[in-house]
Parts: sequence; structure tokens; C-alpha cells
Amino acid sequence: IAGITQAPTSQILAAGRRMTLRCTQDMRHNAMYWYRQDLGLGLRLIHYSNTAGTTGKGEVPDGYSVSRANTDDFPLTLASAVPSQTSVYFCASSKKTGTGANVLTFGAGSRLTVL
Amino acid sequence: GQNIDQPTEMTATEGAIVQINCTYQTSGFNGLFWYQQHAGEAPTFLSYNVLDGLEEKGRFSSFLSRSKGYSYLLLKELQMKDSASYLCAVENSNYQLIWGAGTKLIIKP
Repeated sequence: IAGITQAPTSQILAAGRRMTLRCTQDMRHNAMYWYRQDLGLGLRLIHYSNTAGTTGKGEVPDGYSVSRANTDDFPLTLASAVPSQTSVYFCASSKKTGTGANVLTFGAGSRLTVL
Repeated sequence: GQNIDQPTEMTATEGAIVQINCTYQTSGFNGLFWYQQHAGEAPTFLSYNVLDGLEEKGRFSSFLSRSKGYSYLLLKELQMKDSASYLCAVENSNYQLIWGAGTKLIIKP
């Protein structure tokens, strides 16, 4: 693989179920992010990780959790899905150096529908 | 609050030129990004501006005026494949990326 791989591509989920969206990158980027994209709204940051072993909350973290056990993987878990979590989820990564442009590379997205 | 404003939708003709505007109000400024997103696909990086002026990259150019909180993306010699959404994003002084809702560009033959 080259870049970022997300799985699943699409999922329909019953409300109250637990769901983990997977994200793996092979670019050795230190920073990783989870965004959700909803019609008419900009990308909204859910959680981020600046380096393996650390995570932080973004703009809309409630109902979601993440872990960063190693450089490559950054799974996003919905503990108990609700219909308002119906969205397209994008994982992204960047080689965040503190200088210059922090350019994000995005995965192909995971479309989640919660019924 | 922090916000990024850009038009929801624009229509242009194949072969023509189109300018997509973006205005922003953020807590500080560390740079402005433009991304392209085709329908059903991931956003991909187009350009980055941190200093005032014009950055040219082939058919695409991006302009920044920090004093006016304003940027535009200029697309020349439009092709049908340029039909996409164009996302403006600003990195604020806390290194947070603030995203606009995107401008859907429709190219007609």
C-alpha cells in the first residue's frame, strides 16, 4: 500500500452498536487525524495525534475515542453509535515538523450510516 | 469565533477562467491551504500561501492578502476534470486547521 488505507469503505450500523473505523498509513508520518464531513459543513476535527503514544481532542470529540499505539495505525471507535454520527469519516496524516506547510494526506473515507 | 467563508457553488465554461474566493477570520494565521475534492473522493492538496501575493502552479494560482483576510484560487483553461469541490483552510496560531464548507465548481461544455 502507498498512502493511507481506511476500512471499512462503507457501513450501516444499528444505533447503540460499537464500531471501530480503521486507519493505517505507510508514509511514517508523525501526525494523524480523524475528520468527519457533513453536507454544508467544513471538515470537522474529531481527534488527532501528533506522535505515537499521544492523542488530543478536536472540535467534535464527544462519542468518539482513539488510540495511537504505533506510528502507522490510528483507529477511531464509536462506543455506542447514534444517528447524528451518520457521516463520512476521513483519516489523514502529515509530516508535522513545526516549520513550513503542514500538508495533509487523506484516506479515501469511510461512509457510516447509523439507523 | 473563527470562520471561513466561500461561495457554496459556482458554474463556469470549459476553457474559461474562474476565481474562487475565500475570506477568513481566525485566531492568528500560520498559512492558508486549498484542497481539491472530487465527488466521493478524498481531498487532495493544491496550494499553500503564507506570505502575501500570488503562488502559481501550472493552470492553478492562489493569492493571499493577510491584511484583508482574503484569498482566491484561480483556475485557468478549465477542463471538465476540474469539476470538483474546492476547500479553503486556514491554520491558526494554535496550529489548528479551520476549514471552509467548500465551493462546488460545475464545469459546462
